[in-house]
Amino acid sequence: QQQVKQSPQSLIVQKGGISIINCAYENTAFDYFPWYQQFPGKGPALLIAIRPDVSEKKEGRFTISFNKSAKQFSLHIMDSQPGDSATYFCAATPGRDSSYKLIFGSGTRLLVRP
Amino acid sequence: NAGVTQTPKFQVLKTGQSMTLQCAQDMNHNSMYWYRQDPGMGLRLIYYSASEGTTDKGEVPNGYNVSRLNKREFSLRLESAAPSQTSVYFCASSLDRRGQPQHFGDGTRLSIL
Repeated sequence: QQQVKQSPQSLIVQKGGISIINCAYENTAFDYFPWYQQFPGKGPALLIAIRPDVSEKKEGRFTISFNKSAKQFSLHIMDSQPGDSATYFCAATPGRDSSYKLIFGSGTRLLVRP
Repeated sequence: NAGVTQTPKFQVLKTGQSMTLQCAQDMNHNSMYWYRQDPGMGLRLIYYSASEGTTDKGEVPNGYNVSRLNKREFSLRLESAAPSQTSVYFCASSLDRRGQPQHFGDGTRLSIL
């Protein structure tokens, strides 16, 4: 079963626009929420991450917004560029689990048109 | 610094054949992971290893076995390949502290006919 639900499945944005990808989770034990970026033919790479004790984290053009009560978090890409075209995955780590495994969303394929 | 290296990059098997996917990391990480990536399903954890000599099942372990040969190497074996195991397989490693990123290899693209 998918414990982290991600939407949309695909997204097309014009250069300079804002890309927004949403994720929702059920398990309140999750305590770490990273976003990974994957280019074709490559493995995913960490983009940005947040803990549930903060509502927003910004790194350059990338921002995570976190709503603990709604159990939702989202990735905003400001001033989207063609180089941002990739697949994005949200993920979560179970807080009460002694391992550090990640549970991934299903992915969003972003295309930024020039 | 190579990071996480996976071999082979591509492989085609016939149903029933066996093969081992190799993974090695040079970052002195304790934790290693195997995932499979299928369209529309994200990455699903097959097995993971928190340290040398230990392995645990993930979400989709059936049909797979793993070996943590030493701290650097973590292999994934398909004993009798099935078409449902056609996928892209990723190995990853991380420090064993919460909040540390997982570092991924570039994957093995496996087709089973």
